[in-house]
Amino acid sequence: GQQLNQSPQSMFIQEGEDVSMNCTSSSIFNTWLWYKQDPGEGPVLLIALYKAGELTSNGRLTAQFGITRKDSFLNISASIPSDVGIYFCAGRPNSGYALNFGKGTSLLVTP
Amino acid sequence: GAVVSQHPSRVICKSGTSVKIECRSLDFQATTMFWYRQFPKQSLMLMATSNEGSKATYEQGVEKDKFLINHASLTLSTLTVTSAHPEDSSFYICSASSLSGGQETQYFGPGTRLLVL
Repeated sequence: GQQLNQSPQSMFIQEGEDVSMNCTSSSIFNTWLWYKQDPGEGPVLLIALYKAGELTSNGRLTAQFGITRKDSFLNISASIPSDVGIYFCAGRPNSGYALNFGKGTSLLVTP
Repeated sequence: GAVVSQHPSRVICKSGTSVKIECRSLDFQATTMFWYRQFPKQSLMLMATSNEGSKATYEQGVEKDKFLINHASLTLSTLTVTSAHPEDSSFYICSASSLSGGQETQYFGPGTRLLVL
């Protein structure tokens, strides 16, 4: 499958700041998923989006499924040190269940 | 809910031996499971899609005789790395597909670190 275009590649911010990252694809997806991966562990699902335009929150995290169905963003508000990790977007096309992944956004938060 | 386990979490083996990794969905049934490989500082690379009761579908460039996949039940898929070599050393992660209300979500296991000496 295609590799999604995820940006930024890395972010270095201070505790308390808000963070935004996004993902775009060249084709339409019917599902967008956002995961966080800590070193040496598997990705953990943060938010799942199933409808174009859908805006979903999970605590300090908010994600949206773009209207064009070719993009999604994830916002983290009031970041804390435990937000450190790599965030991956993943999209599922209409056919099959296999996901296409972004390259990840590495987030570092300083106290 | 939606917990996926992997065993072992890490394994060290000699070159030429085979290693089996198990992936289990603990609280849901997964008709489809996926096997990924991840190199340091890179994204996940899909190796194969495992369907319960049928042959796995391998991605281009992945040797099916090298990476044997068995999905014997709705909660268990296994990946066997046969005749492992140092270049097979990697982080292997499985995911299980959960279908609820017509919406499909994938949940990942914690990964297995394989080191081939």
